Amino acid sequence: QMQLQESGPGLVKPSGTLSLTCVVSGGSISSKNWWSWVRQSPEKGLEWIAQISHSGSTNYNPSLKSRVTISLDKSKNQFSLKLSSVTAADTAIYYCARSYDYHLSYWGQGTLVTVSS
Amino acid sequence: QTVVTQEPSFSVSPGGTVTLTCGLSTGSVSTSYYPSWYQQIPGQAPRTLIYNTNTRSSGVPDRFSGSILGNKAALTITGAQADDESDYYCVLYMGSDSYVFGTGTKVTVL
Repeated sequence: QMQLQESGPGLVKPSGTLSLTCVVSGGSISSKNWWSWVRQSPEKGLEWIAQISHSGSTNYNPSLKSRVTISLDKSKNQFSLKLSSVTAADTAIYYCARSYDYHLSYWGQGTLVTVSS
Repeated sequence: QTVVTQEPSFSVSPGGTVTLTCGLSTGSVSTSYYPSWYQQIPGQAPRTLIYNTNTRSSGVPDRFSGSILGNKAALTITGAQADDESDYYCVLYMGSDSYVFGTGTKVTVL
C-alpha cells in the first residue's frame, strides 16, 4: 500500500517561502504517475496547487503559478513544494497526493502551515 | 474563474438514499471532466471514493455510486450508515492538466 508523508516547517513568516517535502513509500516516484500538492483552508476550501510527473513535467494552478515551484528527487523518492511571498491567506493544511487516472488516489495525512510573524 | 458548486449540506435518515451533485459555472459536467468524489472526516485527509465518473476506489462499499445526472456529476449513497456522516467533495479534471475542487457538501445521518 502506497503511503505519502508531508514534512516541513509549521510556521513561516509573511513574505517568506513555504517549503514542504512529501516522502513516498510503498511505491516508486519514478513510476508512471503524477504527484500533486493540495491545500485546505476554511476560507478557500480544498485547492489544487500543482503536480509533477515522474519525468519532471509540471502543471500549476493558474492562480498560484507565479509563486509555486514543484520538484522531484528520485534518489530520495520524494517531491517538494515551494511557495514564495506567502501571506496569511496561505495558511492552510497542505496535502501531497498521487495523481493517477485523472484523480487523486493516495493522500498524505496533511501538515498545517501557519503564516505569521 | 471556474467554480464547481455543490450543495452546502444534506440530511439523510439511516438506511435512506441521498444524491449529491457537482455543477460547473461555465457549463455542463460530462465524463470528459473525469469527475471524482472524496470523503473527508473532519481532521482527516480526504479519501477517494469514486473516479472516472463511476469507478469505485478499492475498498469502497457499493452503496456509493457515481453518475452524470443531467448537466451535473452526482454521488449517490444508497442505504446510508452512521459512519457516512462526513464532508464530500467532487473534483473535476479541467483538461488543461489541472484540477478544480467543488465547494463540498456536509452530509448528516440522522
